[in-house]
Amino acid sequence: KNEVEQSPQNLTAQEGEFITINCSYSVGISALHWLQQHPGGGIVSLFMLSSGKKKHGRLIATINIQEKHSSLHITASHPRDSAVYICAVRDPGGGADGLTFGKGTHLIIQP
Amino acid sequence: NAGVTQTPKFRVLKTGQSMTLLCAQDMNHEYMYWYRQDPGMGLRLIHYSVGEGTTAKGEVPDGYNVSRLKKQNFLLGLESAAPSQTSVYFCASRRFSGPQETQYFGPGTRLLVL
Repeated sequence: KNEVEQSPQNLTAQEGEFITINCSYSVGISALHWLQQHPGGGIVSLFMLSSGKKKHGRLIATINIQEKHSSLHITASHPRDSAVYICAVRDPGGGADGLTFGKGTHLIIQP
Repeated sequence: NAGVTQTPKFRVLKTGQSMTLLCAQDMNHEYMYWYRQDPGMGLRLIHYSVGEGTTAKGEVPDGYNVSRLKKQNFLLGLESAAPSQTSVYFCASRRFSGPQETQYFGPGTRLLVL
C-alpha cells in the first residue's frame, strides 16, 4: 500500500506570498491528484497529474515520477486560498478501490 | 446536474443506535466510495462499489455495511453506532476505472455518536 506524506502540515502566510506544498509517495503510481477542501465544505479536485506540470490560474502542480514527489504552488496567494490541500495517489492498474490520501496541508492566508 | 449529494448533512446518535447514510449521484458513474475523515488522518476508505449490485471492503470496513441496489445510490449503514464512529463521512464517485478519471466528492455528513 502506498504511503503518502505531505509537508508542511500547517502553513500560515501573508497575502501575495508564493506558496509551496509538497507531497511524496512510497511506491509507483498511475496518477496523482491534488484536492482542495474549504472549512466545513466538500472536497474538489484541482489537478490530476501523471507526468510533468499543469497550470490553472494561479495554481501550478508539478510531479517528478522518478523522485516520487509532487508540489503544488500558489502564486500571488489570497485569503480565499485558505483551505486544506490534499494529495492523493492512484496505484498502478487504475485502482478500483480508489485513492490513497495524504493527511492534508492546512493553509491560512492572512490579509 | 446535482453531482454527488449526501443525506443527512449532520446527525447525532446515541451509542447502539442504527442509521443509514445515503449517497446519490446523477452522473451515471459506475464506481462509488464511502470514506471517513478524522482529525490528523487522511481520508480512509470504508467500502466501495464498482457497479450496481456489487460492494467491496476498503481499509476500515468494521462496523459498517453498504448496499448498491441502484446504480445512482450507495447506502452506508451503521447497525450499532459506537463513539469511535464519530467522524465526517464523504461519498465519492467516478465514471469508471482508469488513472485519469476524476473522483467527485459529496459535501460530507458529520456524525456524532454519544
